[in-house]
Amino acid sequence: DAGVTQSPTHLIKTRGQHVTLRCSPISGHKSVSWYQQVLGQGPQFIFQYYEKEERGRGNFPDRFSARQFPNYSSELNVNALLLGDSALYLCASSSPDRDEKLFFGSGTQLSVL
Amino acid sequence: AQSVTQPDIHITVSEGASLELRCNYSYGATPYLFWYVQSPGQGLQLLLKYFSGDTLVQGIKGFEAEFKRSQSSFNLRKPSVHWSDAAEYFCAVGAGTGFQKLVFGTGTRLLVSP
Repeated sequence: DAGVTQSPTHLIKTRGQHVTLRCSPISGHKSVSWYQQVLGQGPQFIFQYYEKEERGRGNFPDRFSARQFPNYSSELNVNALLLGDSALYLCASSSPDRDEKLFFGSGTQLSVL
Repeated sequence: AQSVTQPDIHITVSEGASLELRCNYSYGATPYLFWYVQSPGQGLQLLLKYFSGDTLVQGIKGFEAEFKRSQSSFNLRKPSVHWSDAAEYFCAVGAGTGFQKLVFGTGTRLLVSP
């Protein structure tokens, strides 16, 4: 079975631009979470979606938004990019009724210049 | 608010030697605790988790961790380190919704010397 897949793997943007990151969960997983990992830090929770509904939001500005589609894939959108948004963005999926753990993708490395 | 402290930024261990990585957490209720490993350019892989029950938890790759409520600690151990264990290790606590929203520590980078 394929794991959690994220696209693109790398992305370079300039300040003020908009970016969309994509995530496909493991087949059968209905929950997707997004994390931001700044260089030298641990991942920080951004959003969790379950069955297309937002179930949790971390301490991030409104420039960050996300959604989950009927096939359980997800998008993370960031508007008005700042230099500080440069980070590895990780997506994780889970199946709460089967196994209480997160499966992480390899991430999207976003560089904002 | 929940928090996790990993006091060691870097640790160097000789191959074949034992390893202990420290983790202290702050959480009002019974915590959900996790250890993840991250290799360069990779996502996070779960090593082990503690929810309740036996305080000594066995994980993958020969790792184990012990939950000590009195010390608010969840240290990771391995009796004999292999060169392939070189990576970044993150301790995390589940906040609110259990295991979906995790609060991570800043990580400990493990270097393995020959």
